[in-house]
Amino acid sequence: RKEVEQDPGPFNVPEGATVAFNCTYSNSASQSFFWYRQDCRKEPKLLMSVYSSGNEDGRFTAQLNRASQYISLLIRDSKLSDSATYLCVVKESNDMRFGAGTRLTVKP
Amino acid sequence: DTGVSQNPRHKITKRGQNVTFRCDPISEHNRLYWYRQTLGQGPEFLTYFQNEAQLEKSRLLSDRFSAERPKGSFSTLEIQRTEQGDSAMYLCASSFNANTEAFFGQGTRLTVV
Repeated sequence: RKEVEQDPGPFNVPEGATVAFNCTYSNSASQSFFWYRQDCRKEPKLLMSVYSSGNEDGRFTAQLNRASQYISLLIRDSKLSDSATYLCVVKESNDMRFGAGTRLTVKP
Repeated sequence: DTGVSQNPRHKITKRGQNVTFRCDPISEHNRLYWYRQTLGQGPEFLTYFQNEAQLEKSRLLSDRFSAERPKGSFSTLEIQRTEQGDSAMYLCASSFNANTEAFFGQGTRLTVV
């Protein structure tokens, strides 16, 4: 079983749609959680941290369920510029593990 | 620019040659990570440093790979006797501590021909 698992997609949605991604992790001792965005042939860039109480940043909402060991990302009112790969990241005391990423394409 | 810097951006080398990449992390970041990424995959953990100490190495890091962070600032990743399977993007990231977000450099794209 992979340490961090994501649905690879692709998700193809029209502009304005709401889309949700899930991510599961295997290590219950994981301490910090993040969503990163990666554009084609570019480095990953931090999108948002994920807090236990859930958090929102504009059109993006992240949630953490420690009991079920999953993290989610909700994107509302999708824009063309949201097209990218979204990477779930789980930090343990020793290292930082990435999911394989979920590819999103927003179409006009 | 105070972000993470990686050099070179691109490297083409012949099979069997040695290559070395450099990463300059964000100043005052104690943690430095190296990852490898191939097309369609997420970044795979290679190794990380806490200051100058290399605290963990992935089993992906064969004997041909070595990384250093001699003064707790910049780091180098060396690959000896490169193989075609080493072709990938090598990413470096740094963070202030174990729990804070990490920031990535633009990566070094290695092509072994």
